[in-house]
Amino acid sequence: QSVLTQPPSVSGAPGQRVTISCTGSSSNIGADFDVHWYQILPGAAPKLLIYSDTNRPAGVPDRFSGSKSGTSASLAITGLQAEDEADYFCQSYDSGLSGSVFGGGTKLTVL
Amino acid sequence: QVQLQESGPGLVRPSQTLSLTCTVYGDSVSSRGVGHYWNWVRQLPGKGLEWIGYFYYRGTTYYNPSLRSRVTISADASKNQLSLTLTSVTAADTAVYFCTRGRGSSSWYGDYWGQGILVPVSS
Repeated sequence: QSVLTQPPSVSGAPGQRVTISCTGSSSNIGADFDVHWYQILPGAAPKLLIYSDTNRPAGVPDRFSGSKSGTSASLAITGLQAEDEADYFCQSYDSGLSGSVFGGGTKLTVL
Repeated sequence: QVQLQESGPGLVRPSQTLSLTCTVYGDSVSSRGVGHYWNWVRQLPGKGLEWIGYFYYRGTTYYNPSLRSRVTISADASKNQLSLTLTSVTAADTAVYFCTRGRGSSSWYGDYWGQGILVPVSS
């Protein structure tokens, strides 16, 4: 069981907006540790989408955005495209474990 | 362009030691670059990602407490490689193992990742 909780799956039609939640606790997200998001396509290396809550690396479309509030964070994807179909993971730091923790992952299906 | 490439055996027997290597291109594992933490992360079948540990350029290592008794991460600056050894493996260690360059501090993020290597543990 992952320290950070994500919904197992979300779905949306092309062009729609979807959000993926990442719920933690007072020892990780709630302690204001940075949250990062990754996309994993089948058979591919994880790709950094959002770092430090809201920042996009160069080359990541602005359709992807991150936010954080309290003990939760969210990844929003607007203008959904077929190539967005992938697994998405959140990551943060946990002071109780004194190490990095990940969410269980969310599979995005584009209908 | 930074690239990371994992390599290792295709199969490990239960109770034996898993040994993997990550060759780094375009950066140095002994780099004094700001916040370069060289990490191993694994993805268990059907499950999420699990952080294994990191090597920091000055030789500092830190491991996931749940794996600490079985894990060693080291770096060979001459070969520009990161290594992972995991002892006394069981089927529960079957996973895809990734190496990644971590930026930041303790709350690092991986900006470059290897493709990953599937390591089945089976007799």
